[in-house]
Amino acid sequence: EDQVTQSPEALRLQEGESSSLNCSYTVSGLRGLFWYRQDPGKGPEFLFTLYSAGEEKEKERLKATLTKKESFLHITAPKPEDSATYLCAVRGGSYIPTFGRGTSLIVHP
Amino acid sequence: NAGVTQTPKFRVLKTGQSMTLLCAQDMNHEYMYWYRQDPGMGLRLIHYSVGEGTTAKGEVPDGYNVSRLKKQNFLLGLESAAPSQTSVYFCASSGPQLREQYFGPGTRLTVT
Repeated sequence: EDQVTQSPEALRLQEGESSSLNCSYTVSGLRGLFWYRQDPGKGPEFLFTLYSAGEEKEKERLKATLTKKESFLHITAPKPEDSATYLCAVRGGSYIPTFGRGTSLIVHP
Repeated sequence: NAGVTQTPKFRVLKTGQSMTLLCAQDMNHEYMYWYRQDPGMGLRLIHYSVGEGTTAKGEVPDGYNVSRLKKQNFLLGLESAAPSQTSVYFCASSGPQLREQYFGPGTRLTVT
């Protein structure tokens, strides 16, 4: 059974204070690790897909990395508008992705 | 290009009432999913479909039924609503390469 654990559950940062969110996973035959952003009252919005260990992807202040056991979402010099819940999901040998419970990020000005 | 849309956005039901949630996507995606999201529980898969005319159970299917009569639409039905079904419901779709999912804006359902 695929499993995803995200940590921390909640994270408070000051504007400009860089940090990382963790996504630990177990999956039989990784076919994709996904990061999503979810704003309050809205549906998740796709950010990145990573397929193999060592892969990295960047978008503005966000950078996602992948190892064989975990993924990190690095946030560099965050701004208040980066406040959201960040979800991680993995897809193994089935059609069905498994989601973690998310990390709620609040960036204070 | 509207992406994934959901109808209605909000609904209040009384215990025992029935309703249908409609999901529509205009991206010609094969795969469609229904999730519920509850505080502290994350996204839990209710049912999914791998193509027109096919459906399958997810993690929490009890109390729900689905239909995929047209490729672009995925309906979620509650035959006899219960307070435990109070939640936010999200529909999603993904393309044939099983890449990322695209989510709708959600339906907030309250059962009293």
